[in-house]
Amino acid sequence: KAGVTQTPRYLIKTRGQQVTLSCSPISGHRSVSWYQQTPGQGLQFLFEYFSETQRNKGNFPGRFSGRQFSNSRSEMNVSTLELGDSALYLCASSLVMLGTDTQYFGPGTRLTVL
Amino acid sequence: QKEVEQNSGPLSVPEGAIASLNCTYSDRGSQSFFWYRQYSGKSPELIMSIYSNGDKEDGRFTAQLNKASQYVSLLIRDSQPSDSATYLCAVPYNNNDMRFGAGTRLTVKP
Repeated sequence: KAGVTQTPRYLIKTRGQQVTLSCSPISGHRSVSWYQQTPGQGLQFLFEYFSETQRNKGNFPGRFSGRQFSNSRSEMNVSTLELGDSALYLCASSLVMLGTDTQYFGPGTRLTVL
Repeated sequence: QKEVEQNSGPLSVPEGAIASLNCTYSDRGSQSFFWYRQYSGKSPELIMSIYSNGDKEDGRFTAQLNKASQYVSLLIRDSQPSDSATYLCAVPYNNNDMRFGAGTRLTVKP
């Protein structure tokens, strides 16, 4: 079974631009969670989508948004990029049988904001 | 107090030794716990999950959970240089909102 895929793998943007990242979960998985990883803050939860609905949201500004499509693929958007948004963005998919399920991570998208 | 705390590390052990990684969590109601391994430049990879008090073994890895003490640990027996990585403890806060510790960097020296 194919794992979680993320595109693009690397991205360079300038301040003020916006960016869209994509995540395809493991086949059959219905939940997609997004995380930001930086050396200073570690892994931080952005939001989770399940059945096309945002189920949980972390403590990030409204510039960070996402959505999920009927095939469970998810996109994350960051508007008005800031230097501090440079990070590894990870998505994780899970099956969702009960409230919390094992999450499997994709390879990540490395975003650099200049 | 951080929700999930780990040994600050780094931790260095000789090849063949036992590496012990520790994690404490703040939410007494937490029911599931995960250990991930992350190699430099790569994404986290699941090692083990544990839900019940006691030990859970999988090959060279043993996870230990003590809910009364709000403590979870990971033991790596017969450590190999390929085990050198950062180990992340993760505890779900709300459904799939996973809270991670800062990670412990392990180096296994040949």
